[in-house]
Amino acid sequence: RKEVEQDPGPFNVPEGATVAFNCTYSNSASQSFFWYRQDCRKEPKLLMSVYSSGNEDGRFTAQLNRASQYISLLIRDSKLSDSATYLCVVNRGYQKVTFGTGTKLQVIP
Amino acid sequence: DTEVTQTPKHLVMGMTNKKSLKCEQHMGHRAMYWYKQKAKKPPELMFVYSYEKLSINESVPSRFSPECPNSSLLNLHLHALQPEDSALYLCASSSRETQYFGPGTRLLVL
Repeated sequence: RKEVEQDPGPFNVPEGATVAFNCTYSNSASQSFFWYRQDCRKEPKLLMSVYSSGNEDGRFTAQLNRASQYISLLIRDSKLSDSATYLCVVNRGYQKVTFGTGTKLQVIP
Repeated sequence: DTEVTQTPKHLVMGMTNKKSLKCEQHMGHRAMYWYKQKAKKPPELMFVYSYEKLSINESVPSRFSPECPNSSLLNLHLHALQPEDSALYLCASSSRETQYFGPGTRLLVL
């Protein structure tokens, strides 16, 4: 089993739709969690950190479920500019960082 | 300013060449990272420097040699690479847990 797993997609959704991604991790000692987005041929950019209490940033909501060892990202009112690959990132401490395989999102006009 | 810079943007090298990739950040971050990313794959951690000392080497072949001359700079020295080493090489820095990435160097080994 991979350390961090995501559904690779692609998720093809119409503009305005709500879409959710999940990410599971295997190491229960993992300490911090993030969502990054990566556009084609560009570097990953931090989208948001993920906290146990859940957190929201505009149209984006992230949740962490430590008991079930998964994190989620919800995007409401999808825009064309949201098309990208979304990477789940897990930090096990001491700078040991693992990226998930990424989920590709394509928002269609 | 959350900028990490990398040079060069693109690099083509032969298997007998020696080249270096450079990374710079002026955010005062004390941890710096090298990642390798192949097409359609996630970044893979190669090296981590913490307070200018190598703290993690993810079993990277010795043809890749990292160097941290000071707290703002990180180099990756390349020698006798193989065609399968062609990839996007990403540098990142962090103050605590959040990493900020540079734009990467796209490397082609012929």
